[in-house]
Amino acid sequence: SQTIHQWPATLVQPVGSPLSLECTVEGTSNPNLYWYRQAAGRGLQLLFYSVGIGQISSEVPQNLSASRPQDRQFILSSKKLLLSDSGFYLCAWSEGVDEKLFFGSGTQLSVL
Amino acid sequence: GIQVEQSPPDLILQEGANSTLRCNFSDSVNNLQWFHQNPWGQLINLFYIPSGTKQNGRLSATTVATERYSLLYISSSQTTDSGVYFCAVEAGGSYIPTFGRGTSLIVHP
Repeated sequence: SQTIHQWPATLVQPVGSPLSLECTVEGTSNPNLYWYRQAAGRGLQLLFYSVGIGQISSEVPQNLSASRPQDRQFILSSKKLLLSDSGFYLCAWSEGVDEKLFFGSGTQLSVL
Repeated sequence: GIQVEQSPPDLILQEGANSTLRCNFSDSVNNLQWFHQNPWGQLINLFYIPSGTKQNGRLSATTVATERYSLLYISSSQTTDSGVYFCAVEAGGSYIPTFGRGTSLIVHP
């Protein structure tokens, strides 16, 4: 069966520090991968998605970047965090277009 | 892009009550999914339902694609049903699931 791992669960970082959040999927090949952010107030904002290795699409221009160095690995990064980067970050995967979406357990990021 | 609206934004129930959550979308879609986010933040996929009706225990969902809405029914609610319910849609040719803002449900014992 397929599983998705996301870590760390919580992270407190100072303003200006770098960021690296990692997500891996097991039990499937060539998944679509997604990074969402959920700020206080509920809505899920799509940040990046990827349909294959090295293929990254950005939905919102901002202080963050994403990479997909391996088929089932998706990394969210920042060189210098801003206060506004605080939020709940969720990684998700699906087997392709119009397929069910499955989420990781999320990372609560606090930038102080 | 496609717009997704959920109603009501907030709902408070007594244990045992029934409820209906609604999701309206602005364009034709290839799929629609319902999710439950528990108080710890975990999002669980409840239904993949681009059209028709599905049932899973006390939960059921109906999507009327031609009229651009979907309904999630919760019967005999339990405290463990508390959390936020999201619908997400993918418009034709899009790789991007677009989420509504959710319905926050609190079930009191």
